[in-house]
Amino acid sequence: AQSVTQLDSHVSVSEGTPVLLRCNYSSSYSPSLFWYVQHPNKGLQLLLKYTSAATLVKGINGFEAEFKKSETSFHLTKPSAHMSDAAEYFCVVSLLGRGGNKLTFGTGTQLKVEL
Amino acid sequence: DAGVTQSPTHLIKTRGQQVTLRCSPKSGHDTVSWYQQALGQGPQFIFQYYEEEERQRGNFPDRFSGHQFPNYSSELNVNALLLGDSALYLCASSYGGTSEKLFFGSGTQLSVL
Repeated sequence: AQSVTQLDSHVSVSEGTPVLLRCNYSSSYSPSLFWYVQHPNKGLQLLLKYTSAATLVKGINGFEAEFKKSETSFHLTKPSAHMSDAAEYFCVVSLLGRGGNKLTFGTGTQLKVEL
Repeated sequence: DAGVTQSPTHLIKTRGQQVTLRCSPKSGHDTVSWYQQALGQGPQFIFQYYEEEERQRGNFPDRFSGHQFPNYSSELNVNALLLGDSALYLCASSYGGTSEKLFFGSGTQLSVL
């Protein structure tokens, strides 16, 4: 079965410092992986998607993630945090079933950005 | 261009009651997926509708059912509500029966007392 594990439930950084949100995946074949962000009282928004075209994936708002098969990881990074980045982040794997594919979400990482 | 819209935004029910949640997909989308997000957890897949049929289903009991209409909008029905059904219910739309790029609504917060 495919799954993702988000290694930190909470991450706190200072504004202007780098962000690292960690995610490990488990999959019997090459997965499709995503990062979604959820701001309070707003819907989930797709940050970026990996589908085997390139191991380093660039997303919106300066975020990027690197797919490392040897480490089964798909960590999300950003060089410099902004106050507006404070939100819940979900690592997601796509599971292909008979009727199509469905998403399996991790438990989330709450990112706090301090002045 | 309207995004995914869900109604109502908040709902309070008592145990044993039935509830219907509604979702209109983003313009141009024909596929609707429903997710349940309990407090402090990631969303859990309930089911997906495409071409007015349930195409995939997650690990949810038959008390959870749905429907998709010819205009692609969808309903989620939950019968015999339990306290544990209290959660944020998210609707997501996409195109062509896939989940490769989902657009999510803001959700319906259901409280079961």
